[in-house]
Amino acid sequence: ETGVTQSPTHLIKTRGQQVTLRCSSQSGHNTVSWYQQALGQGPQFIFQYYREEENGRGNFPPRFSGLQFPNYSSELNVNALELDDSALYLCASSVGTVENYGYTFGSGTRLTVV
Amino acid sequence: SQQGEEDPQALSIQEGENATMNCSYKTSINNLQWYRQNSGRGLVHLILIRSNEREKHSGRLRVTLDTSKKSSSLLITASRAADTASYFCATDGTDSWGKLQFGAGTQVVVTP
Repeated sequence: ETGVTQSPTHLIKTRGQQVTLRCSSQSGHNTVSWYQQALGQGPQFIFQYYREEENGRGNFPPRFSGLQFPNYSSELNVNALELDDSALYLCASSVGTVENYGYTFGSGTRLTVV
Repeated sequence: SQQGEEDPQALSIQEGENATMNCSYKTSINNLQWYRQNSGRGLVHLILIRSNEREKHSGRLRVTLDTSKKSSSLLITASRAADTASYFCATDGTDSWGKLQFGAGTQVVVTP
């Protein structure tokens, strides 16, 4: 159904550790965004990358960082994990802005911090 | 913080009935989008309506937008059990191109 692939599907980490989540964008999509979705809530925008440059950031601390690679795949890194970081992390890609087509979302990575 | 708020929070209907959910938002928008999410997995894009549009249709979906009231509605006609999911509205604000602001969602259960 979706052309955006995220890995891993599930992850359990200990408080204070670091984690890297990965996303392969849909072919031809040069914009990738990351969202955090806590249980029972809507997704919250973390940041967006366009052609390997950060193109906007939500209200998340600097320990949340990202990368976009020349093939438009992307990583989300979170340092010094806290219990509240437990959430579903969603990657979404689009061709340029979403004004015409909306985003294609991956199935997400479920992160549990213990 | 959530930009949009969906109403109701939860909706239970029988197959064949229509489901209507509403979304209110706070700031000026370029467009408003509706997404569906099954069982806490990825979101599926349903429909996008631009700020200069008032109504849009896609299959069994009908979306309206009232920018003067900063509100939108999603109507699903002739509901099926497979429509059971959470539905989210997301706004693409004029001051934040492409950075979607989601509401908390409406949980829809369609029983056979």
